[in-house]
Amino acid sequence: DQQVKQNSPSLSVQEGRISILNCDYTNSMFDYFLWYKKYPAEGPTFLISISSIKDKNEDGRFTVFLNKSAKHLSLHIVPSQPGDSAVYFCAATPEYGNKLVFGAGTILRVKS
Amino acid sequence: GAGVSQSPRYKVAKRGQDVALRCDPISGHVSLFWYQQALGQGPEFLTYFQNEAQLDKSGLPSDRFFAERPEGSVSTLKIQRTQQEDSAVYLCASSLARARPLETQYFGPGTRLLVL
Repeated sequence: DQQVKQNSPSLSVQEGRISILNCDYTNSMFDYFLWYKKYPAEGPTFLISISSIKDKNEDGRFTVFLNKSAKHLSLHIVPSQPGDSAVYFCAATPEYGNKLVFGAGTILRVKS
Repeated sequence: GAGVSQSPRYKVAKRGQDVALRCDPISGHVSLFWYQQALGQGPEFLTYFQNEAQLDKSGLPSDRFFAERPEGSVSTLKIQRTQQEDSAVYLCASSLARARPLETQYFGPGTRLLVL
């Protein structure tokens, strides 16, 4: 039973446009959400996070939106760059939990 | 290097063989995590250490899996009598303080295990 779901296995976007990656979760105990980015042959690297007390967090070109009632979050990348091409994982955890629960990932390809 | 390192990077094992995977966390990091990532899936939690204490091993799939961190730094994940379903990338992550969401987990590059 997947508690964190990324329903789009892949996404292709033109350079300069917006990339929107989506994530849904089922466990209402999750209070903290993170996005990780992964290049081939490397481990995931932390990108941005959001606490459930917020509905938006922004860091440069990256913004994460949280809709707690819908149990949905999204990552917006504006403008998208070819170097953003990677696998993006959504992850969640209870506020004082120690384990991250990951989605299956979305492959983003930014075309130049 | 300042990052998390793992060795070996690749391991091919015959079914039934025992394997040991090593993780060197970032110096000074208190928390250490092991995850298993099957092909096409996201990482799945295996176990968590705070210093040398294994505080959560709820994700270990069977008693063939064993992890240790005897001196609170380097950790080893051991898989006994490997099976084909153990084939996956094993990721190690560390974080500076005791586990809480605000502490970023830094991942190593992983060990890709293939069991034939």
